[in-house]
Amino acid sequence: KQEVTQIPAALSVPEGENLVLNCSFTDSAIYNLQWFRQDPGKGLTSLLLIQSSQREQTSGRLNASLDKSSGRSTLYIAASQPGDSATYLCAVIDQTGANNLFFGTGTRLTVIP
Amino acid sequence: DTGVSQDPRHKITKRGQNVTFRCDPISEHNRLYWYRQTLGQGPEFLTYFQNEAQLEKSRLLSDRFSAERPKGSFSTLEIQRTEQGDSAMYLCASSLLQAGPYNEQFFGPGTRLTVL
Repeated sequence: KQEVTQIPAALSVPEGENLVLNCSFTDSAIYNLQWFRQDPGKGLTSLLLIQSSQREQTSGRLNASLDKSSGRSTLYIAASQPGDSATYLCAVIDQTGANNLFFGTGTRLTVIP
Repeated sequence: DTGVSQDPRHKITKRGQNVTFRCDPISEHNRLYWYRQTLGQGPEFLTYFQNEAQLEKSRLLSDRFSAERPKGSFSTLEIQRTEQGDSAMYLCASSLLQAGPYNEQFFGPGTRLTVL
């Protein structure tokens, strides 16, 4: 069974700092990897989707990389802002017909003004 | 509104009661997923539909849980004889099955269930 791990579980940084969130997965037979943001008590907002054939995706201050063979992904956030405070979830999409998402437990980010 | 909607957003119930949640997917999406998220954990897959057919169920979906999507549009998730361990956020997502390896899922705001 696919297992997804995110490190660290929580992270606090001062505003303006660049930061990296890590995600690892045990089964490299994935279609894609997706990063989500979740605010407290809310649903999930998709940030970036990386197809298995890609190495990285960028959106604004966010950059996500994927090393499928080693089972790792990173989410880089540049020039962090207090509004970036949230839980960031990594999920991999398996290759079965359902295409269900396997999630990590998330990294809770706090950006201190 | 073109997003996924869920109703209710919050539900508080007593142990042993039945509850039902509704999910309305993005209108043209033919796949609909249910996930459950407990405090401090990532969401876990429960079940999914392609049109009106329920094609897969997780072992997490005990016989007290039933999901339907009768006309291939909205879906309901019912929990019978609720237990305190059912307290969680129930998330719905939808996607459009197309040619290609993956169809991006879009999530609703979730229904927060508290069982007293």
